[in-house]
Amino acid sequence: AQSVTQLGSHVSVSEGALVLLRCNYSSSVPPYLFWYVQYPNQGLQLLLKYTTGATLVKGINGFEAEFKKSETSFHLTKPSAHMSDAAEYFCAVSDRNAGNMLTFGGGTRLMVKP
Amino acid sequence: DGGITQSPKYLFRKEGQNVTLSCEQNLNHDAMYWYRQDPGQGLRLIYYSQIVNDFQKGDIAEGYSVSREKKESFPLTVTSAQKNPTAFYLCASSQGPGNQPQHFGDGTRLSIL
Repeated sequence: AQSVTQLGSHVSVSEGALVLLRCNYSSSVPPYLFWYVQYPNQGLQLLLKYTTGATLVKGINGFEAEFKKSETSFHLTKPSAHMSDAAEYFCAVSDRNAGNMLTFGGGTRLMVKP
Repeated sequence: DGGITQSPKYLFRKEGQNVTLSCEQNLNHDAMYWYRQDPGQGLRLIYYSQIVNDFQKGDIAEGYSVSREKKESFPLTVTSAQKNPTAFYLCASSQGPGNQPQHFGDGTRLSIL
């Protein structure tokens, strides 16, 4: 069975600072990997995904993530935080052999200080 | 625009009452999902359906029921057997293999009166 761990349920950064949200997965086969963002009282919006090819993927709103197979990680970064980035972020994985069922991490709430 | 519509946005349930949450999609997706989200927790899968007239239990199906009579609709009923129904409920849909993302509705927040 797959599992997803997001280190740090809350992360606080200053506006303009680097954002780093961590995601590690456990899977016998490298899965498909996704990052979603959730604003208060809304659904989840896809930020980016890794399926194959280049391990550094770029998403919306200036976010990017790098798939590191040796570290079983898919950390999300953004060079400079904006106030509008304050939200909850979820990492999710999909088993390549199990259709499009997703396993989610517990989420990380990003707070941005002025 | 294509998307997923969940209604109502807010719902209140009395003790012993069944309530039904609506989920409609016009993305022509085969697969649909229901998740429960509690404060500070990730998403937990309640039920999913890969095709019309077929659905499967997820990790926390007890106290819930679903139907999938039409491709575009996947309503969730929270029954009186669900003892702790207060949560945020999210519906999603997807199409194709696992490299395709799930698309989410805006959720329904259910509270107990």
